[in-house]
Amino acid sequence: NAGVMQNPRHLVRRRGQEARLRCSPMKGHSHVYWYRQLPEEGLKFMVYLQKENIIDESGMPKERFSAEFPKEGPSILRIQQVVRGDSAAYFCASSPNRISGVNYGYTFGSGTRLTVV
Amino acid sequence: AQTVTQSQPEMSVQEAETVTLSCTYDTSESDYYLFWYKQPPSRQMILVIRQEAYKQQNATENRFSVNFQKAAKSFSLKISDSQLGDAAMYFCASSLQGAQKLVFGQGTRLTINP
Repeated sequence: NAGVMQNPRHLVRRRGQEARLRCSPMKGHSHVYWYRQLPEEGLKFMVYLQKENIIDESGMPKERFSAEFPKEGPSILRIQQVVRGDSAAYFCASSPNRISGVNYGYTFGSGTRLTVV
Repeated sequence: AQTVTQSQPEMSVQEAETVTLSCTYDTSESDYYLFWYKQPPSRQMILVIRQEAYKQQNATENRFSVNFQKAAKSFSLKISDSQLGDAAMYFCASSLQGAQKLVFGQGTRLTINP
């Protein structure tokens, strides 16, 4: 049973380009979460999605960032017109349907390290 | 708003000894969950231990245990019989009842000296 798969592992983009980060959740998991980790800092929540729905995007920057989790295929975090400040590690996590309100923690992927040059 | 604070940027311990990592949090809610995650050099976040705030009993997972002090809003992690493989960044995190979002602390880098 493969874990949460993120690709690419490393991504280099020039300023102004687009970055697309992919996340395939664990088999049977229908909830996906994206977090960003700046160097020497903890993870910061960005967005929580279920299939075809954005549940909580309170941590997403208002511009240039978007996320989707289509009915088929991986979840995608898209960053348009990247800037140097977008350089960070982006982590995806997934969880199955839960008993309402209970948080058991979730399974993280190994992250995508985005470098903007 | 929830906040999580880890006041020890770095800690070190001799192999086979015991080390305690500190974490404090702030929330106005009474029901919530607390977690410790480990991030080794491979970068993957690994769940170490989980605590439900309504449970007074401290969670334990083999060599890992917590000291949960709800009134003091403290949630420290104790690692017994430290092993070289325990070397990693350790993050404390919290989430509210009914929410799946995790709020993380800044992390503590743990070094194990052979």
